[in-house]
Amino acid sequence: EVQLLESGGGLVQPGGSLRLSCAASGFTLSSYAMSWVRQAPGKGLEWVSVISGSGDNTYYAGSVKGRFTISRANSKNTLYLQLNSLRAEDTAIYFCARDGLPTGWYGAEFDYWGQGTLVTVSS
Amino acid sequence: EIVMTQSPDTLSVSPGERATLSCRASQSVGSNLAWYQQKPGQAPRLLIYGASTRATGIPARFSGSGSGTEFTLTISSLQSEDFAVYYCLQYNNWPPYTFGQGTTLEIK
Repeated sequence: EVQLLESGGGLVQPGGSLRLSCAASGFTLSSYAMSWVRQAPGKGLEWVSVISGSGDNTYYAGSVKGRFTISRANSKNTLYLQLNSLRAEDTAIYFCARDGLPTGWYGAEFDYWGQGTLVTVSS
Repeated sequence: EIVMTQSPDTLSVSPGERATLSCRASQSVGSNLAWYQQKPGQAPRLLIYGASTRATGIPARFSGSGSGTEFTLTISSLQSEDFAVYYCLQYNNWPPYTFGQGTTLEIK
């Protein structure tokens, strides 16, 4: 059974940093591109970042580029998102999601999602 | 960036009736369009991908159609568990992947 479990969320002050983790099980992580998607309280879904199966290629939404870094440790079955220079508008639930094709490349739907971890940016 | 616009924002339908949700893309996305269902406090659940292919375990009452810029999600006979928020996602032209703003399907 495919499972994704996020952790690392919490309350952080503006300008602070946080590292989110997504533990994957039930499939070979290296075979899939992975994304982070966020959802501000009461709002819709916003794609944040994607990383290829090998970790060699990454892309970011304009709203987080230069502040967030996506990475992965396939040997540990874990995906990461480093959040720096956090702003109030980054407050959201952060979901990790698996790309729908086992090619290691991106460009497909997100077929499995974790339950999310809440990041709150406030003084 | 491709903008995805869903309509209506809120749809009120009685159980047992048909619901039709729409999603429009600002430029063609081919058939690279997915639909998701999200209930309060839960992660989104994949319903449809490739515009019309049901995901594993999704009941046959859910169907998707369309291509290019106009897409439709139809729920043929609404069950109580179908009342939720629905999002479309385009994955044709990225980055960024873009979602619609969501349609809330509520009980009439």
